[in-house]
Parts: sequence; C-alpha cells; structure tokens
Amino acid sequence: KNEVEQSPQNLTAQEGEFITINCSYSVGISALHWLQQHPGGGIVSLFMLSSGKKKHGRLIATINIQEKHSSLHITASHPRDSAVYICAVRAQGGSEKLVFGKGTKLTVNP
Amino acid sequence: NAGVTQTPKFQVLKTGQSMTLQCAQDMNHNSMYWYRQDPGMGLRLIYYSASEGTTDKGEVPNGYNVSRLNKREFSLRLESAAPSQTSVYFCASSTQLMNTEAFFGQGTRLTVV
Repeated sequence: KNEVEQSPQNLTAQEGEFITINCSYSVGISALHWLQQHPGGGIVSLFMLSSGKKKHGRLIATINIQEKHSSLHITASHPRDSAVYICAVRAQGGSEKLVFGKGTKLTVNP
Repeated sequence: NAGVTQTPKFQVLKTGQSMTLQCAQDMNHNSMYWYRQDPGMGLRLIYYSASEGTTDKGEVPNGYNVSRLNKREFSLRLESAAPSQTSVYFCASSTQLMNTEAFFGQGTRLTVV
C-alpha cells in the first residue's frame, strides 16, 4: 500500500463545478504539500499545510491530522484548472524525504 | 524571476552514454533535490542536498551521482545511461528541509535508447 493515496485518479468536470480531490496518508507527518502540474510538465506548489485550512483565490486546501486526510477544493472550476494535482507529505522525524501521491488528473470542459 | 532553472529540457541518449543534468536556483535556498517521474508512479527522490557541500541518497539513487557545486547549483550525472533511466527529471529547491514551499524546475525529459 502506498503511503500517500489520492482519489480519484481521474476527474472530468464541467466548467463552473465544485471540485474535490482527496489525499490520504498512512504516516505521521510534519507537512503536506499540494502541487499542480500542467501539460508540458512544470510543477507549481499550491499549498503547504501542517494544520487547518488555507485559501488562495478559488483554491482551498484542508487537512485533518487525526484522520490523516487532506482535501483540495476548486470552486467555480475553469478549463485552465485542467492539470494533474499532486499531494506530497513529509514524514515526522526530520526526514528529508517527500513522499508523493500518484496524482489526480483533472479535466475541466467548457 | 528565474526560480529553478534546469537544462536541458529534452535529451536522447544511447545506452552507455553519459550526461549531466544541470540545475540552478536563484532564491538562496539551502536545500536542493533531484526527482524522477515515471508514468503511473509518484515523483521519487534520487538525491538531495541539505546544504552546500553535502549530498545524500534518496529513494532511487542507483545509477546516478550528484554534485552540489555551490549554493546555487546542483547537478545530476548519469555515468552510463540505461533504458530504465528513461524518465522525466525534476530539480527542486526549498529554504529548509521541505517544511516550506518547494519550487520546481520545468523538468528534463530524458529518453535512453
């Protein structure tokens, strides 16, 4: 079992829909990252969370440490949100290692 | 606004050839990382450098070497490329031990034939 599981693997939505992408992890963590990867490959950091909730524009990220679960929400989705969204966690204990989920491919149709 | 710069963006190698992937960051970050991304798998850490002059193995270091030339630059070398090293390689940097935002390069798509 992977240490970081994302769901769904693929998601297709219509423009304007509310999107939720989930990330579950099995280890104690010091931080969780949400990343975005567009076609063409570049990876951009969206959020880094250790507790609670963060919001940036139409993007909201939440984390529940007790349940080892995080969600990324996109409100009023737009075709330009089409990308792969990647969850990554840094384990507790001073490890340098980030463990990545396999990503969720989001397609938003006009 | 350069951030993290990787070169080259694309490369085709023959089995047994060597090459070096270059990475430079202009954000004065201490930590730098090399990852590979393969279809159906998450990014995997090859090597990292927590500070200038130090390097450590990650999850998949076999077949690779690295050099932290100075605080800005962290290179990844394939001494004898193998088809199993066909992948997309990403360099990343952060201020401190990945507890802060990570910045990624644009990636290098490497094909070994």
